[in-house]
Amino acid sequence: QKEVEQNSGPLSVPEGAIASLNCTYSDRGSQSFFWYRQYSGKSPELIMFIYSNGDKEDGRFTAQLNKASQYVSLLIRDSQPSDSATYLCAVNEGNNRLAFGKGNQVVVIP
Amino acid sequence: DVKVTQSSRYLVKRTGEKVFLECVQDMDHENMFWYRQDPGLGLRLIYFSYDVKMKEKGDIPEGYSVSREKKERFSLILESASTNQTSMYLCASIGFGRAVTEAFFGQGTRLTVV
Repeated sequence: QKEVEQNSGPLSVPEGAIASLNCTYSDRGSQSFFWYRQYSGKSPELIMFIYSNGDKEDGRFTAQLNKASQYVSLLIRDSQPSDSATYLCAVNEGNNRLAFGKGNQVVVIP
Repeated sequence: DVKVTQSSRYLVKRTGEKVFLECVQDMDHENMFWYRQDPGLGLRLIYFSYDVKMKEKGDIPEGYSVSREKKERFSLILESASTNQTSMYLCASIGFGRAVTEAFFGQGTRLTVV
Protein backbone atom coordinates (compact mmCIF):
# COMPACT_ATOMS: atom_id res chain seq x y z
CA GLN A 1 0.00 0.00 0.00
CA LYS A 2 1.25 3.43 -0.83
CA GLU A 3 1.64 5.70 2.18
CA VAL A 4 -0.22 8.90 2.87
CA GLU A 5 0.93 10.64 6.03
CA GLN A 6 -0.80 13.27 8.08
CA ASN A 7 1.33 13.54 11.13
CA SER A 8 0.28 16.58 13.05
CA GLY A 9 -2.08 16.21 15.96
CA PRO A 10 -5.33 18.10 16.62
CA LEU A 11 -5.14 21.70 15.48
CA SER A 12 -6.82 24.44 17.49
CA VAL A 13 -7.21 27.81 15.77
CA PRO A 14 -9.00 30.99 16.82
CA GLU A 15 -11.98 32.03 14.74
CA GLY A 16 -10.81 34.16 11.81
CA ALA A 17 -7.30 32.70 11.74
CA ILE A 18 -5.70 30.48 9.10
CA ALA A 19 -5.64 26.72 9.61
CA SER A 20 -2.83 24.91 7.82
CA LEU A 21 -2.81 21.15 7.22
CA ASN A 22 -0.07 19.10 5.59
CA CYS A 23 0.06 15.72 3.92
CA THR A 24 2.94 13.76 2.39
CA TYR A 25 2.70 10.77 0.06
CA SER A 26 5.11 8.05 -0.94
CA ASP A 27 4.23 7.31 -4.57
CA ARG A 28 6.04 9.77 -6.82
CA GLY A 29 3.78 8.72 -9.72
CA SER A 30 0.58 9.89 -8.03
CA GLN A 31 -1.33 12.35 -10.17
CA SER A 32 -4.42 13.48 -8.30
CA PHE A 33 -4.92 14.60 -4.73
CA PHE A 34 -7.96 15.29 -2.62
CA TRP A 35 -9.01 16.83 0.66
CA TYR A 36 -12.12 15.46 2.35
CA ARG A 37 -13.87 16.97 5.34
CA GLN A 38 -15.57 14.70 7.86
CA TYR A 39 -17.82 15.99 10.59
CA SER A 40 -18.17 13.86 13.69
CA GLY A 41 -20.51 10.94 13.05
CA LYS A 42 -20.82 11.76 9.35
CA SER A 43 -19.23 10.43 6.19
CA PRO A 44 -16.40 12.23 4.35
CA GLU A 45 -17.23 14.82 1.71
CA LEU A 46 -14.92 16.19 -0.96
CA ILE A 47 -13.92 19.84 -0.52
CA MET A 48 -10.84 20.25 -2.74
CA PHE A 49 -8.94 18.43 -5.44
CA ILE A 50 -5.70 19.33 -7.18
CA TYR A 51 -3.71 17.89 -10.06
CA SER A 52 -1.06 20.47 -10.90
CA ASN A 53 1.84 21.90 -8.96
CA GLY A 54 1.07 25.19 -7.28
CA ASP A 55 -1.98 26.62 -5.58
CA LYS A 56 -5.66 26.11 -6.19
CA GLU A 57 -8.18 28.32 -4.47
CA ASP A 58 -11.86 27.69 -3.85
CA GLY A 59 -13.52 30.20 -1.57
CA ARG A 60 -11.78 30.15 1.79
CA PHE A 61 -9.89 26.95 0.93
CA THR A 62 -6.52 26.77 -0.83
CA ALA A 63 -4.83 23.52 -1.79
CA GLN A 64 -1.12 23.54 -2.49
CA LEU A 65 0.72 20.79 -4.34
CA ASN A 66 4.45 20.21 -4.63
CA LYS A 67 5.12 17.01 -6.55
CA ALA A 68 8.90 17.29 -6.28
CA SER A 69 8.67 17.27 -2.49
CA GLN A 70 5.66 14.95 -2.50
CA TYR A 71 3.42 17.00 -0.29
CA VAL A 72 0.01 18.55 -0.53
CA SER A 73 -1.41 21.06 1.93
CA LEU A 74 -4.71 22.69 2.74
CA LEU A 75 -5.17 26.22 4.03
CA ILE A 76 -8.44 27.36 5.52
CA ARG A 77 -8.63 31.15 5.67
CA ASP A 78 -10.91 33.07 8.02
CA SER A 79 -11.64 29.88 9.96
CA GLN A 80 -15.19 29.50 11.20
CA PRO A 81 -16.62 27.25 13.93
CA SER A 82 -18.34 25.31 11.12
CA ASP A 83 -14.88 24.32 9.87
CA SER A 84 -14.37 22.22 13.00
CA ALA A 85 -14.03 18.73 11.59
CA THR A 86 -11.51 16.06 10.63
CA TYR A 87 -9.74 16.66 7.33
CA LEU A 88 -8.61 13.64 5.31
CA CYS A 89 -5.94 13.78 2.63
CA ALA A 90 -6.39 11.26 -0.19
CA VAL A 91 -4.22 10.24 -3.12
CA ASN A 92 -5.38 8.40 -6.23
CA GLU A 93 -3.14 5.32 -6.41
CA GLY A 94 -4.33 4.51 -9.90
CA ASN A 95 -7.46 2.77 -11.17
CA ASN A 96 -9.51 5.07 -8.94
CA ARG A 97 -8.23 3.44 -5.80
CA LEU A 98 -7.80 6.11 -3.13
CA ALA A 99 -5.31 5.93 -0.29
CA PHE A 100 -6.31 8.03 2.71
CA GLY A 101 -4.27 9.59 5.46
CA LYS A 102 -5.42 9.16 9.05
CA GLY A 103 -6.83 12.65 9.17
CA ASN A 104 -6.26 15.83 11.16
CA GLN A 105 -8.81 17.19 13.57
CA VAL A 106 -9.37 20.94 13.39
CA VAL A 107 -11.08 22.81 16.22
CA VAL A 108 -12.00 26.45 15.60
CA ILE A 109 -12.35 28.36 18.85
CA PRO A 110 -14.92 31.19 18.81
CA ASP B 1 -28.26 14.30 -6.72
CA VAL B 2 -25.67 11.65 -6.11
CA LYS B 3 -26.73 8.93 -3.76
CA VAL B 4 -24.96 6.11 -1.97
CA THR B 5 -27.14 4.34 0.54
CA GLN B 6 -26.06 1.89 3.19
CA SER B 7 -28.73 -0.40 4.56
CA SER B 8 -28.23 0.37 8.26
CA ARG B 9 -26.84 3.24 10.33
CA TYR B 10 -26.38 1.17 13.48
CA LEU B 11 -26.09 -2.58 13.88
CA VAL B 12 -25.45 -4.80 16.90
CA LYS B 13 -24.52 -8.41 16.26
CA ARG B 14 -23.30 -11.33 18.34
CA THR B 15 -19.92 -12.98 18.00
CA GLY B 16 -20.03 -15.72 15.39
CA GLU B 17 -23.00 -14.35 13.48
CA LYS B 18 -22.85 -13.87 9.71
CA VAL B 19 -23.37 -10.20 8.97
CA PHE B 20 -24.39 -8.56 5.69
CA LEU B 21 -23.79 -4.87 5.02
CA GLU B 22 -25.48 -3.58 1.89
CA CYS B 23 -24.56 -0.59 -0.24
CA VAL B 24 -26.51 0.75 -3.21
CA GLN B 25 -25.54 3.58 -5.56
CA ASP B 26 -27.65 5.27 -8.18
CA MET B 27 -24.90 6.85 -10.29
CA ASP B 28 -24.14 3.92 -12.60
CA HIS B 29 -20.55 3.86 -11.30
CA GLU B 30 -18.42 0.85 -12.00
CA ASN B 31 -16.08 1.31 -9.03
CA MET B 32 -17.27 0.57 -5.51
CA PHE B 33 -15.26 0.25 -2.31
CA TRP B 34 -15.69 -0.86 1.30
CA TYR B 35 -13.65 0.82 4.05
CA ARG B 36 -13.59 0.57 7.80
CA GLN B 37 -12.73 3.56 9.93
CA ASP B 38 -11.27 3.29 13.41
CA PRO B 39 -9.92 6.02 15.71
CA GLY B 40 -6.24 6.62 15.08
CA LEU B 41 -6.17 4.28 12.10
CA GLY B 42 -8.07 6.28 9.51
CA LEU B 43 -9.84 4.75 6.56
CA ARG B 44 -8.64 1.28 5.61
CA LEU B 45 -9.66 -0.46 2.42
CA ILE B 46 -11.27 -3.86 2.85
CA TYR B 47 -12.42 -4.83 -0.65
CA PHE B 48 -13.25 -3.12 -3.90
CA SER B 49 -14.90 -3.92 -7.18
CA TYR B 50 -14.44 -2.51 -10.65
CA ASP B 51 -17.38 -4.26 -12.25
CA VAL B 52 -20.16 -6.73 -11.71
CA LYS B 53 -18.91 -10.05 -10.34
CA MET B 54 -15.40 -8.64 -10.01
CA LYS B 55 -13.73 -8.15 -6.65
CA GLU B 56 -10.28 -7.25 -5.42
CA LYS B 57 -8.79 -7.50 -1.95
CA GLY B 58 -7.84 -4.29 -0.28
CA ASP B 59 -5.42 -3.87 2.60
CA ILE B 60 -7.37 -5.71 5.33
CA PRO B 61 -9.59 -8.38 3.71
CA GLU B 62 -9.22 -11.05 6.39
CA GLY B 63 -12.53 -12.07 7.90
CA TYR B 64 -14.54 -10.38 5.15
CA SER B 65 -15.94 -11.25 1.75
CA VAL B 66 -17.95 -9.28 -0.80
CA SER B 67 -20.58 -9.77 -3.45
CA ARG B 68 -21.33 -7.68 -6.54
CA GLU B 69 -24.15 -9.33 -8.48
CA LYS B 70 -25.56 -6.08 -9.84
CA LYS B 71 -23.76 -2.90 -10.80
CA GLU B 72 -25.55 -0.76 -8.28
CA ARG B 73 -25.15 -3.03 -5.26
CA PHE B 74 -21.99 -4.01 -3.37
CA SER B 75 -22.35 -6.12 -0.27
CA LEU B 76 -19.82 -6.69 2.50
CA ILE B 77 -20.08 -9.96 4.40
CA LEU B 78 -18.58 -10.76 7.78
CA GLU B 79 -18.45 -14.55 7.67
CA SER B 80 -18.23 -14.98 11.45
CA ALA B 81 -18.35 -11.68 13.29
CA SER B 82 -15.74 -11.04 15.95
CA THR B 83 -15.38 -8.23 18.47
CA ASN B 84 -12.37 -6.80 16.63
CA GLN B 85 -14.69 -6.10 13.70
CA THR B 86 -16.54 -3.52 15.76
CA SER B 87 -16.06 -0.42 13.65
CA MET B 88 -17.57 2.21 11.36
CA TYR B 89 -18.00 0.77 7.86
CA LEU B 90 -18.12 3.14 4.91
CA CYS B 91 -19.10 2.28 1.37
CA ALA B 92 -17.90 4.50 -1.48
CA SER B 93 -18.78 4.72 -5.12
CA ILE B 94 -16.12 6.37 -7.27
CA GLY B 95 -16.85 8.10 -10.52
CA PHE B 96 -16.93 11.42 -12.29
CA GLY B 97 -18.25 14.22 -10.08
CA ARG B 98 -17.45 17.93 -10.08
CA ALA B 99 -15.01 17.87 -13.00
CA VAL B 100 -13.02 15.17 -11.30
CA THR B 101 -13.23 11.51 -10.39
CA GLU B 102 -14.27 11.55 -6.77
CA ALA B 103 -15.48 9.23 -4.05
CA PHE B 104 -19.09 9.49 -2.91
CA PHE B 105 -19.63 7.94 0.49
CA GLY B 106 -22.63 6.34 2.07
CA GLN B 107 -23.73 7.51 5.50
CA GLY B 108 -21.80 4.74 7.23
CA THR B 109 -22.80 1.75 9.33
CA ARG B 110 -21.62 1.62 12.90
CA LEU B 111 -21.32 -2.07 13.72
CA THR B 112 -20.94 -3.33 17.25
CA VAL B 113 -20.11 -7.00 17.79
CA VAL B 114 -20.81 -8.24 21.30
